[in-house]
Parts: sequence; structure tokens; C-alpha cells
Amino acid sequence: EPEVTQTPSHQVTQMGQEVILRCVPISNHLYFYWYRQILGQKVEFLVSFYNNEISEKSEIFDDQFSVERPDGSNFTLKIRSTKLEDSAMYFCASSDEGKGQPQHFGDGTRLSIL
Amino acid sequence: GESVGLHLPTLSVQEGDNSIINCAYSNSASDYFIWYKQESGKGPQFIIDIRSNMDKRQGQRVTVLLNKTVKHLSLQIAATQPGDSAVYFCAEEDLSNQFYFGTGTSLTVIP
Repeated sequence: EPEVTQTPSHQVTQMGQEVILRCVPISNHLYFYWYRQILGQKVEFLVSFYNNEISEKSEIFDDQFSVERPDGSNFTLKIRSTKLEDSAMYFCASSDEGKGQPQHFGDGTRLSIL
Repeated sequence: GESVGLHLPTLSVQEGDNSIINCAYSNSASDYFIWYKQESGKGPQFIIDIRSNMDKRQGQRVTVLLNKTVKHLSLQIAATQPGDSAVYFCAEEDLSNQFYFGTGTSLTVIP
């Protein structure tokens, strides 16, 4: 069964450094998402992406965050200057259609900011 | 903003019994709901979904019930197995295709 893959599984970064989290969505999917989950808390929506542009973004997704689809298979989340509070699990998801369709999640990248 | 919450943070059931996990949502405009299962170290895994024009939907060993009057969603798992032990999240989709997740219920199956 096709799946969303994310790399790395764990990223440790010094505060203030840039980090890029990578995702390979399911190949025929057109809608891509990033979520984060702070330890012990809810999964929170960050951003959705379709047709090479951001569709929706939450209040969490401020100017420090950006997303990109650099080629036909990868979808990345960049945090420019990481803060301690960025420590969380980051999940990528994709769906073949947009609204009203299940989003399929990867296993996440655990981001630890020191 | 939307609020999706769960009535019980933990649930323990005997293997073979049925499990019921509940969820309350606050946005009456939400029209699509999903139950996800999350095992330790894994991402959320799709279990079953339901649209707001339905009251009930059945899958393999799972049933989702939607009560729009009281904005309540439940997940029923028949003949619960040890492999069902996980955290279960409900999620609602708003009009802008954003999903809002509940806090989660931790299900423990006792052999």
C-alpha cells in the first residue's frame, strides 16, 4: 500500500538554526499538508498546499515557516530560525482530492531544538 | 475557533469486548469527520470517515456514529484485540479543508 514517507525520523538542531523537514507524499496525490504535535498535545494543522501554492495556513505558520515542492516527488517544510518551542513531532500528510477526503499521514519527524 | 474534545482520556477493555470511544465537536458547520489511530512512534492512521449527511458508517470491526444534534461522534470497535491498543483521535474538517484534531483517547486492551 502506498505511504507517505518522511525524513529524517529525528532531527536535533541548535536554536536559531534553519531546519528542513522532508516528505515524499503518495505519488498520485495532489494535496499536501503539514501538521505538528507537541508532546502530549493535539495534532495541530500548519499548512495545506495545492497546485504549487499554499491553500490554507494556521496562525502557527508564521514568517519563520515556509513550504516548497522542489520537484515532482518531495514536499518540504523549512523553519528559518528555530526556537525552543518548535520542538515537536512534524507530520506530513497527503490526499488525492481536497475537501472531504481522508489525509494519509507519514510517521513524522521528531524535531528537538537545543 | 473549532474545538474538538474527547470525553475520556483513557479507556481499558478486556480482549474480545467491544470498545466505544467518544468525541464532541463544536463547529456545527463541519461536514466531514475522521477517526485516526496512532500507535507509539507512528503517524495517525486512517480508520474510518463519515460525512455529515450520514448518521452511521460501518467498516471492518469498526462503526462510526454521528449525532449532529448534540455534535457528538463515536467510534465502536467490535471484539477488541490487543493490536487495537493505541491513541484514537477524532478530527473534523471545516469549510476551508482544515482538520482539527481532538486530544485523543488512549485505548488499552487487556489480554
